[in-house]
Amino acid sequence: DAKTTQPPSMDCAEGRAANLPCNHSTISGNEYVYWYRQIHSQGPQYIIHGLKNNETNEMASLIITEDRKSSTLILPHATLRDTAVYYCIVRVRAYSGGGADGLTFGKGTHLIIQP
Amino acid sequence: DTAVSQTPKYLVTQMGNDKSIKCEQNLGHDTMYWYKQDSKKFLKIMFSYNNKELIINETVPNRFSPKSPDKAHLNLHINSLELGDSAVYFCASSQPRQGIVIQYFGAGTRLSVL
Repeated sequence: DAKTTQPPSMDCAEGRAANLPCNHSTISGNEYVYWYRQIHSQGPQYIIHGLKNNETNEMASLIITEDRKSSTLILPHATLRDTAVYYCIVRVRAYSGGGADGLTFGKGTHLIIQP
Repeated sequence: DTAVSQTPKYLVTQMGNDKSIKCEQNLGHDTMYWYKQDSKKFLKIMFSYNNKELIINETVPNRFSPKSPDKAHLNLHINSLELGDSAVYFCASSQPRQGIVIQYFGAGTRLSVL
């Protein structure tokens, strides 16, 4: 799986959009970008994933650059409860019977939402 | 209903003891995992398991062993506990769908070895 690089920490004001960048310059064509977060003392939580198109769900939006070498997770209206460590993970597409290997978590970005 | 549940939430024990952590998932997933999060907050995969295959991270001591009585359960047994085993252990499960693998995690078990 391709390596990812994220800033160690970021601040964002409550109510504003939080934009979390991730660099994955060695990503290959069959690798997806996944985002998870871990709120203090809880298990990691899946947020969103994408291949090459921008994606949006009830939690966030994911913007992937055209060359796929970087992406941005956007929390449109950050709340205090969004304070967490956010992990950007690149994973190869899982074929039938596959997908059993675990996720490789880096250090992530510690996002702090300020009141 | 909690999708992935672990018990106990906290476990305090003495060095040298043997302990188990239980994990159950009600999502119907084929694959389950155990992760370890150490004091520096790094999350590392220990095992992944489905009804066909056990994948072991080679850095995991053989004092750790996963046991799966059925597809919905993956328990973690630890023999001869050491101080360095103190960590938070997370169970997870997943089911590949069209090449996408989303893992669902439990709330964690905080193990303290004294």
